[in-house]
Formats: sequence, structure tokens, C-alpha cells
Amino acid sequence: QSVLTQPPSVSAAPGQTVSISCSGSTSNIGNHYVSWYQQLPGTPPKLLIYDNHARPSGIPDRFSGSKSGTSATLVITGLQTGDEADYYCGTWDSSLSAVIFGGGTKLAVL
Amino acid sequence: QVTLRESGPALVRPTQTLTLTCIFSGFSLTTSGMCVSWVRQPPGKALEWLALIDWEDDKYYNTSLRTRLTISKDTSKNQVVLTMTNMDPVDTATYYCARIPGPSSPLDYWGQGILVTVSS
Repeated sequence: QSVLTQPPSVSAAPGQTVSISCSGSTSNIGNHYVSWYQQLPGTPPKLLIYDNHARPSGIPDRFSGSKSGTSATLVITGLQTGDEADYYCGTWDSSLSAVIFGGGTKLAVL
Repeated sequence: QVTLRESGPALVRPTQTLTLTCIFSGFSLTTSGMCVSWVRQPPGKALEWLALIDWEDDKYYNTSLRTRLTISKDTSKNQVVLTMTNMDPVDTATYYCARIPGPSSPLDYWGQGILVTVSS
């Protein structure tokens, strides 16, 4: 069982907006930056969002992140079929002295 | 250009020790704040963080696997080595190494991963 809780799956139609939640605690999300990773089938994870809401170069602004208290959210607007992937949140946990990930959310673009 | 590549055996027998090497370029583990981490992913399952080593040679481990893991670095070769003892079929996974460029930083560059199968 992951320390960070994500919904197992979400789905939406092309062009729509979807949000993926990531719930933690004060020892992780509450006091540390959250990052989000996109994993397309058969490929390694790719950094999508860091420092709660920043995007690495090359990541379109359709992807946005936010954090409030001990939860974080990834929002994807203007969904495309190419966005079908697994999405993971990640952060540091002070109590564990460890990097932690959520259980991952599979996005289906119907 | 930052790159990382995992190297090691594709097949390991149960009870054996797995040794994986992360060979990286485009950055140095002598740079203040720099870290390299290992993450694994069993087929069809979620990411699981394993270990991290930083520029000062401080090491951090997944608490549930701590007794089986050892991480080390060779800065002259730009390599990080992970060993995992007493391998079991449940350890079958793709193993990734990734860079963390500073404190509170994300895993910003990942290797392609290496699939390690544990089977007799």
C-alpha cells in the first residue's frame, strides 16, 4: 500500500479536462514539494510537474499542478489520446527519510 | 546532455545477489546537492523507490528493503551501483536509475530501465 493515495483510474473524452488527486500527510506532501510523472506504455517515467506546479521545458501548459495542505492535484486540459498513460505523484517523506510515490492513476481518453 | 543507463543481468536465480550499475553522463555526483536514486516497477504495478545516494555519500533506503540493499558510487567512473541480496521471484521488475539534482528536487532524468527476472 502506497503512502500517497491516488485514484486507480480516471477517464474522460478528448478535449475534456481531468484531475488526478494525490493525498498524503504532514510528513510528506504537507511539508515537501510534489512532483508528477507521466509513464506512457513501455517507457520510463517522465517528469511532468515539479515543485508542486512548475513544468519542465517542453511540457505543454495543458498540464498543471497544485497543492493544498496535504493533498496535491494534477489537472490535464484539452485531453488528447496521446495523454493515455499512468500518472504518479511523488515527494519526500521526512518520517521515512525516503522518496515516496503514489500508487499511480491510469488515464483513459475515451 | 544528461543520460543514465542501467546495466546488469536480465536473469537472476532465487537467493542470488543482484548487482546493477547506473552509468551516467552530463552531470557529476561531486556537484553539491546532486543525487542518484534507484526505483523499480514490477510488471503491471506501481513505482517503488529503493535507494538514494548523494554527493556527500549519504545513503537512504526503502525501510522495508533496507536489510537487502546497498548503494554505492564511483565518482571517477560516473557510476552508481545497487546490490540487492537474497533475490526472490517477487523482485522481478524493471529497475530504473534516476537523477535528483538537488535537495527537494524531483527525479528529473531517468534511464530506460532494465528488466530483471528472478527465476530458477
